[in-house]
Amino acid sequence: GIQVEQSPPDLILQEGANSTLRCNFSDSVNNLQWFHQNPWGQLINLFYIPSGTKQNGRLSATTVATERYSLLYISSSQTTDSGVYFCAVGVPYKYIFGTGTRLKVLA
Amino acid sequence: DTGVSQNPRHKITKRGQNVTFRCDPISEHNRLYWYRQTLGQGPEFLTYFQNEAQLEKSRLLSDRFSAERPKGSFSTLEIQRTEQGDSAMYLCASSLAQGQTYNEQFFGPGTRLTVL
Repeated sequence: GIQVEQSPPDLILQEGANSTLRCNFSDSVNNLQWFHQNPWGQLINLFYIPSGTKQNGRLSATTVATERYSLLYISSSQTTDSGVYFCAVGVPYKYIFGTGTRLKVLA
Repeated sequence: DTGVSQNPRHKITKRGQNVTFRCDPISEHNRLYWYRQTLGQGPEFLTYFQNEAQLEKSRLLSDRFSAERPKGSFSTLEIQRTEQGDSAMYLCASSLAQGQTYNEQFFGPGTRLTVL
């Protein structure tokens, strides 16, 4: 089956720093989503991005489907950005999640 | 639109007991998914419904697990004869899709199961 890999697995930033999270996938996908999982376990939708680039405030994402990767950019990070970031790729009837990037932003 | 809701939020049970979880999707959504997440891992797909039809089941869904979505609205996930390895967060998601399109999924808050 399709493999989804995220890097880096862990990331520690000082507040105000920028970061790039990467999601690689091994086969063609129907679509791709980025999520932030908060400390209570809730998955919060960040981007639905099968291809192209989107921006929402300090966050932006780019998916290059032909090269099988997606990037999530976080600028001017804040302590509230801490948590786990997942990408999930859509294949027929399901989404496959990556292993996540655990981000900690220090004040 | 109140989002996807799940009940209960937490469940503690003894090994061997049966448990049932409920998921209420966003009202107009025709697709509903169940996932399981263990500590330190990403969510893993369990099963998928298009309206009331269960169209896909993961190999993770052993014969102790059963899911239903009567009338294409809410869904239930039942685990019979629970084992300690069933301890996990059970997540439900829904989406609105037509034909072969795969649209954005929205997740509920999850049900955390602890099997003693």
